[in-house]
This record gives sequence, structure tokens and C-alpha cells, in this order.
Amino acid sequence: NAGVTQTPKFQVLKTGQSMTLQCAQDMNHEYMSWYRQDPGMGLRLIHYSVGAGITDQGEVPNGYNVSRSTTEDFPLRLLSAAPSQTSVYFCASRKQGRGITGWEQYFGPGTRLTVT
Amino acid sequence: GDSVTQMEGPVTLSEEAFLTINCTYTATGYPSLFWYVQYPGEGLQLLLKATKADDKGSNKGFEATYRKETTSFHLEKGSVQVSDSAVYFCALRTGNQFYFGTGTSLTVIP
Repeated sequence: NAGVTQTPKFQVLKTGQSMTLQCAQDMNHEYMSWYRQDPGMGLRLIHYSVGAGITDQGEVPNGYNVSRSTTEDFPLRLLSAAPSQTSVYFCASRKQGRGITGWEQYFGPGTRLTVT
Repeated sequence: GDSVTQMEGPVTLSEEAFLTINCTYTATGYPSLFWYVQYPGEGLQLLLKATKADDKGSNKGFEATYRKETTSFHLEKGSVQVSDSAVYFCALRTGNQFYFGTGTSLTVIP
């Protein structure tokens, strides 16, 4: 049971390049989400998904696309990278449902992205 | 909109000192409240949680009580250890969205 995995761990892009950050979980969690972490800003929700084929926007979705074709995978795409997207990106997952145990999020180790 | 405000750091304490990290929230309805901890180079880990007013979450000697009247969820520990050095995030959940505070960095010195 690997939990939540993210690749790559580090990435440097030039302005205008595109790339996909990968996220996978093996816990059969319905809910998956992407956050960015910036100094002094905490974590901000980019996009989330409550199941395969269903995605929705979070607090800061502009410049990012997502899709959810399987329960396990939730990739985050940057179509045209900008320096403002320099950040640490975290993927998280949890079971979707009521009850105390239903709301615990499991986080991946993060991807540190620099856009020059 | 919904939000979390937590005490700014960094906080430096001596081993065995008492810790309080303040957290207040703004939310419509009845949010669930959480404290997460992030160790250097790692993702966030759930430390404790409370789902309704007056609930007390506790774990590893840390405690926090959900106070609806003061909209607060302050984190406390009676005697910190060097291994508690980390960044602590207060968070709330409403519906399918989580909102995090800006994080408080704690360093415990021997």
C-alpha cells in the first residue's frame, strides 16, 4: 500500500512550456484534490474530484486543467507555465462519505515546481 | 467566504515548554476542524480533528477544542519535544472543500 504518490519530485520549466504533474493513490479513495503551497499563503485548493469523470474547481483554478478517467489517477496539467505557478504542489485523497473517518485526507510528498 | 486565521510564527520553544498555537475560523454552517502537521520535505499529516462544537481532538499529547462561541480551535501541548519541530496547519472543511491557514513553524530547542 503506497498511499498517495506524486511524480516528479522536482521540475524546472521555462515560461510557456506545458507539463503534467502525476498523482496516484491505491486506497480506492473517491475524492482527490490538488493544492499549491506558497510561503505565507498556506495551502490553496486548485481542483478536486469526487469520482471518476467528475471534477470541480477550487479556490485557484486558473492556469490548471484536470481530468479523472480512473479512480486511481488525478493528473494536473499546466498548459502554458508562468512564473506565478512556481510553487510546491500537493495531491491529496480521502474516502468520500459521512462519518469521522470519512474526512481524513492523505497527502502525497509534493512536487516542487520552478518556472523561469 | 470561509477562511482560517492562525497565529503567525515562527515559534521557538525550549523542550518541555507549553505550546499554544491560536486558530480562529470564519465559516457558514457547521464546519469540521483539523490540525495538520508537516515535517521538513514531507506532505501534510492529520494530527487531530473535531467535527462538532465542544468536541476535543487529541493525538500524541496535542489537544484542541472546537469552540463555536469564539470560532476557535487552538492547538495545545503541555510539554513539547524536539521531535515536535514542524509546521502546523489549522484547517476547516465545508462541503467538499478544505481551507487551510498559513501555517505556523515551530522549532523546539533542547
